[in-house]
Amino acid sequence: DTGVSQDPRHKITKRGQNVTFRCDPISEHNRLYWYRQTLGQGPEFLTYFQNEAQLEKSRLLSDRFSAERPKGSFSTLEIQRTEQGDSAMYLCASSSWAPQETQYFGPGTRLLVL
Amino acid sequence: KQEVTQIPAALSVPEGENLVLNCSFTDSAIYNLQWFRQDPGKGLTSLLLIQSSQREQTSGRLNASLDKSSGRSTLYIAASQPGDSATYLCAVDNTDKLIFGTGTRLQVFP
Repeated sequence: DTGVSQDPRHKITKRGQNVTFRCDPISEHNRLYWYRQTLGQGPEFLTYFQNEAQLEKSRLLSDRFSAERPKGSFSTLEIQRTEQGDSAMYLCASSSWAPQETQYFGPGTRLLVL
Repeated sequence: KQEVTQIPAALSVPEGENLVLNCSFTDSAIYNLQWFRQDPGKGLTSLLLIQSSQREQTSGRLNASLDKSSGRSTLYIAASQPGDSATYLCAVDNTDKLIFGTGTRLQVFP
């Protein structure tokens, strides 16, 4: 049973650099979500895809952030010109097409911007 | 705008106690409510999902209830164990995305 996987698990970068994270959802799931979690807080929604279509983006997702899911399978989240405030855990989740289904979360990518 | 609040923020109890964690939300028009567990530095594990038409769900020593009209849910943990130590997060789904509370950090000591 392969769950949601994320790569890398940890990333340290310098302010101003670009970073890219990858998420591989559970294979039969067509919905994919990105969340961001800062220390001591609950995760906050960033964006989600149904197949390859990006259906919603949070206002948290500034112009420096872009997410793709080109073939409706894996997804990437890129942050350009990173800032110290981008330091957080980036979580990916997937779910099936049926509405109101459980979202299954990956282990997350922890980003530290120096 | 949906807001989710969890009380208490932290809880430390001896092994064997029965526990109640609370979650409240401001918009009762939800699809469902989920309880998650998060271990330090890890992702989230779904514990229980209650659909909006349901009143409660049970899994082993866990029981979650939902009162949509009052905007409240409780997670009951029976006979707590040290392995239950983690952060417990409540999340509501009302627009195909989850809105989370800030969690209750639970420590169960032997």
